[in-house]
This record gives sequence, C-alpha cells and structure tokens, in this order.
Amino acid sequence: EDQVTQSPEALRLQEGESSSLNCSYTVSGLRGLFWYRQDPGKGPEFLFTLYSAGEEKEKERLKATLTKKESFLHITAPKPEDSATYLCAVQAGGSQGNLIFGKGTKLSVKP
Amino acid sequence: DADVTQTPRNRITKTGKRIMLECSQTKGHDRMYWYRQDPGLGLRLIYYSFDVKDINKGEISDGYSVSRQAQAKFSLSLESAIPNQTALYFCATSEWRNEQFFGPGTRLTVL
Repeated sequence: EDQVTQSPEALRLQEGESSSLNCSYTVSGLRGLFWYRQDPGKGPEFLFTLYSAGEEKEKERLKATLTKKESFLHITAPKPEDSATYLCAVQAGGSQGNLIFGKGTKLSVKP
Repeated sequence: DADVTQTPRNRITKTGKRIMLECSQTKGHDRMYWYRQDPGLGLRLIYYSFDVKDINKGEISDGYSVSRQAQAKFSLSLESAIPNQTALYFCATSEWRNEQFFGPGTRLTVL
C-alpha cells in the first residue's frame, strides 16, 4: 500500500534556527513527490515537485531534496512568516496521477 | 482574480439537508479534484474528474456525489448531510499528472 509519513508532527524554531522536515514514503514506482505549504484555514500552496533521487529544488529559504525512500525540506534561517503546515504528497508511476498526502508538519517560528 | 474559486466559503447546515459545494477554475486545466481535510487525518480524495465525461471515485466517496458541468466547473453534493461530514473541503485542478492547484476551501459544519 502506498504510504506517506511526515515527521515531526510539529516543530518549534527560533527565528534564524535552521532545521529540516522529513517525508518518508513507500510507493509503487515514484513518479513525483510534491511539497505544499498550508496556512491556517487556507488551501495548500504548491512549492516544489521532485522526480528522481538526487534532485534538489530551492525557493528562498526552502530547499527540498529527494532520495529513494524520503524527502527533506530544509529551512535555512527561518522567519516568523515561514510558520505554516508543510504537506508532502507522492504520485505513483502507475496511478492516474492522484496524490497521496502525508498528515503534515506544523512549523512555528518564534521571533 | 483567483485561479480556483470555491463557493460558499463557509456553510452551517443541519443533519439530513442536501448541500452543494461549487468549484470554478480559470486555469484551463482538464483535471479537477475534491478533497476533504480533517484534523489528524490529512487530505483525502473524494472524487476526481479527468474531463466532463470522466468522473471517478476517490478514497472516501460514500455519502457524496459530483457533477462536472463544464471543463471549468466541478460541484460536490452531500445528498443527506451527517455530522461526521463536518470538515474543510478543497477543490483542486491540474494539467495532466502535474502539480495540483488548490482553491481556498469551504468550511462545512453539519449540526
């Protein structure tokens, strides 16, 4: 069964304190791994897609990396405005393109 | 203007009532999706549609029905609402199997 597990469930950081969020997955032939940011009461906002092990993508203070079993979202020198829930989703190669989502990591960055 | 819009944004209803949630998109995407989000359970797929004539059940379709009135419009109905259908509902769109773009969500409360 295809599965996505995100850890930790919640993470509290001080402003400027870098850290990483983990997304572990089991899927029948990964086609793509997606990262989203979700603010309270709002729809998820697309951040990155990663397709193959070794691939990296960056956007401002965020960098996503991918291995054959997991993905990391590295946050460098976070600011309070980076506080949100970060969702990871996988897309199986044999699927019709549907995404399987993890439960998310809630990030809080204190000034 | 937002690319994916949902109406209503908030709705309170009573058990047994019929409810329709509507989604419109201006992205020109063929694929549209309905998800629900519950605390601790993450995003779960209810129905998805690849075009006007192609509608498919997702992980949790029981108690729901959908209608794809046009390429840009996809509605979700609860024929007889029950309290455990209280949740945040999101519509999403995608081009083929690429990343999905989400609407702002509808907060539904069933009393």
